[in-house]
Amino acid sequence: DVKVTQSSRYLVKRTGEKVFLECVQDMDHENMFWYRQDPGLGLRLIYFSYDVKMKEKGDIPEGYSVSREKKERFSLILESASTNQTSMYLCASSRPATQETQYFGPGTRLLVL
Amino acid sequence: AQRVTQPEKLLSVFKGAPVELKCNYSYSGSPELFWYVQYSRQRLQLLLRHISRESIKGFTADLNKGETSFHLKKPFAQEEDSAMYYCALLSGNTGKLIFGQGTTLQVKP
Repeated sequence: DVKVTQSSRYLVKRTGEKVFLECVQDMDHENMFWYRQDPGLGLRLIYFSYDVKMKEKGDIPEGYSVSREKKERFSLILESASTNQTSMYLCASSRPATQETQYFGPGTRLLVL
Repeated sequence: AQRVTQPEKLLSVFKGAPVELKCNYSYSGSPELFWYVQYSRQRLQLLLRHISRESIKGFTADLNKGETSFHLKKPFAQEEDSAMYYCALLSGNTGKLIFGQGTTLQVKP
């Protein structure tokens, strides 16, 4: 059974703080993804990684960075949190073949005050 | 431009009524499409993919290339179908998905 875990379910941070969101998967998946989920906007891809130390920008990378030092772990970093980054953040992983399912974590609800 | 559009934010039906959640896409090439579902307090999960031509929990979706649509249908809605539904399009060959805005399905008793 695929398991994708995220370090926190809820997080409250102040404007300007550096924020780390961690995601771990236990299925040896090559691909990992970070999305944000906002009402009326659906899921928007922030960054994805198809291998260790490899990363590509998604649709909305501004204000975010990522790190993938180990295959199972993909971190999303908010360098200086802003109120417009208040959102639900979802991590996902998948095998590299195109028709492979993406498996999602439970999400981290981030509130930036 | 590659895009997925779900025109309805909310679809409310009574139990036993037919359901159709609309999805339209924009893609040059042969599209690969999916429906994902998120039940209350659960994580997002795959419902079905068009290439499998499967029926899951009574739901089906047919790819209509002429209308560039991939609508999700169920003949008789159940209360447990209440959830958020996302249509998604595979972008390129990297495994990236483009998601629609999502439709909340509310099935009333």
